[in-house]
Amino acid sequence: NAGVMQNPRHLVRRRGQEARLRCSPMKGHSHVYWYRQLPEEGLKFMVYLQKENIIDESGMPKERFSAEFPKEGPSILRIQQVVRGDSAAYFCASSPLTPGPGGEKLFFGSGTQLSVL
Amino acid sequence: GENVEQHPSTLSVQEGDSAVIKCTYSDSASNYFPWYKQELGKGPQLIIDIRSNVGEKKDQRIAVTLNKTAKHFSLHITETQPEDSAVYFCAVMDSNYQLIWGAGTKLIIKP
Repeated sequence: NAGVMQNPRHLVRRRGQEARLRCSPMKGHSHVYWYRQLPEEGLKFMVYLQKENIIDESGMPKERFSAEFPKEGPSILRIQQVVRGDSAAYFCASSPLTPGPGGEKLFFGSGTQLSVL
Repeated sequence: GENVEQHPSTLSVQEGDSAVIKCTYSDSASNYFPWYKQELGKGPQLIIDIRSNVGEKKDQRIAVTLNKTAKHFSLHITETQPEDSAVYFCAVMDSNYQLIWGAGTKLIIKP
């Protein structure tokens, strides 16, 4: 059973371009979370999705950022018109259960390091 | 909302000694407290967790203690080994079932 797969591992974009980050959850997991990590800091929650639904996007900037988790295929985190401040590591995590008692355990991918020039 | 503080930011111990990392939180309603280990270039991995109805939990060389009254919990690693070198994060699940993370502790094991 493969773990959470994220690609690309490294992504370089110039200011104004679009960044698309992909996450394939573990087999059997239908809950996906996206986190952002700046150097020397902890993870900051961005968005929680289930198949075809955004459940909680309270941590995601209102502009330029969007996420989806289609019925088929990986979850996508999309950043339009990137700026230097978007440079960070973006981690995806998956879970087989809904959040709450018994459903707290998250399995993380290795992340995508986004660098904006 | 929940606020999590983690100390120290860097901890250097001699191989074989013990390491202790502490976290405090603010919301007394929080009831799930995991610890994650992040190695260089990898995502965080859950190493141990504890719920609010338990005061201590142990798994081989790793233990977590929880003081609900004081709202703090600690990670204890005994007989440290080189492979324990990593960044360790505490987290707290808030009332909205979101994980709020500490800022991390870089653990360095000196040979």
